[in-house]
Amino acid sequence: QKEVEQNSGPLSVPEGAIASLNCTYSDRVSQSFFWYRQYSGKSPELIMSIYSNGDKEDGRFTAQLNKASQYVSLLIRDSQPSDSATYLCAVNPLGRSGNTGKLIFGQGTTLQVKP
Amino acid sequence: DAGVTQSPTHLIKTRGQQVTLRCSPKSGHDTVSWYQQALGQGPQFIFQYYEEEERQRGNFPDRFSGHQYPNYSSELNVNALLLGDSALYLCASWPPRGVETEAFFGQGTRLTVV
Repeated sequence: QKEVEQNSGPLSVPEGAIASLNCTYSDRVSQSFFWYRQYSGKSPELIMSIYSNGDKEDGRFTAQLNKASQYVSLLIRDSQPSDSATYLCAVNPLGRSGNTGKLIFGQGTTLQVKP
Repeated sequence: DAGVTQSPTHLIKTRGQQVTLRCSPKSGHDTVSWYQQALGQGPQFIFQYYEEEERQRGNFPDRFSGHQYPNYSSELNVNALLLGDSALYLCASWPPRGVETEAFFGQGTRLTVV
């Protein structure tokens, strides 16, 4: 079992729709969770972090965390063609204050937003 | 405020050669970690440097080594290059230990081994 799993996609949604990206992780003690966006040929860009169960909203983005189910998701409302990218789920396995410098990534989900 | 900077941006090397990649962390950050990202895959953790020492290491052979300088900048060295080392190499920097720390990535170095 991979430590962080994502559906590689591609996930295709029409412009203006809600895109839902999902991620599961295997290490129960993980405390810090991140979503990065990566455009083709570019480096990952942090878009959301979440540390507590529940929802965290930032503009059109909402991150959801359920530690009991070991599940993290990212919702993108009013999807735009510029949102087309690969979305990487990352987990810091040793907790928020550990600053271990280690992130475990899923393989990424490719999102295509069609005009 | 400059973010994380990496050099060079692109590099072509021949199999068996050695390469050095460089990273300057974001201002105020003291921890640097390195990742290898093969095409179509998520980044894989290579190692982390803090206080000029390697603190954690991923599943990479000893051909991969690093260094951190007193100004927190870092180098990644790869010896005896293999074709399979071709990848995007990413450097991430982290702020000092505390609550809710977030890592920021440099633009990466694209290494091609021929």
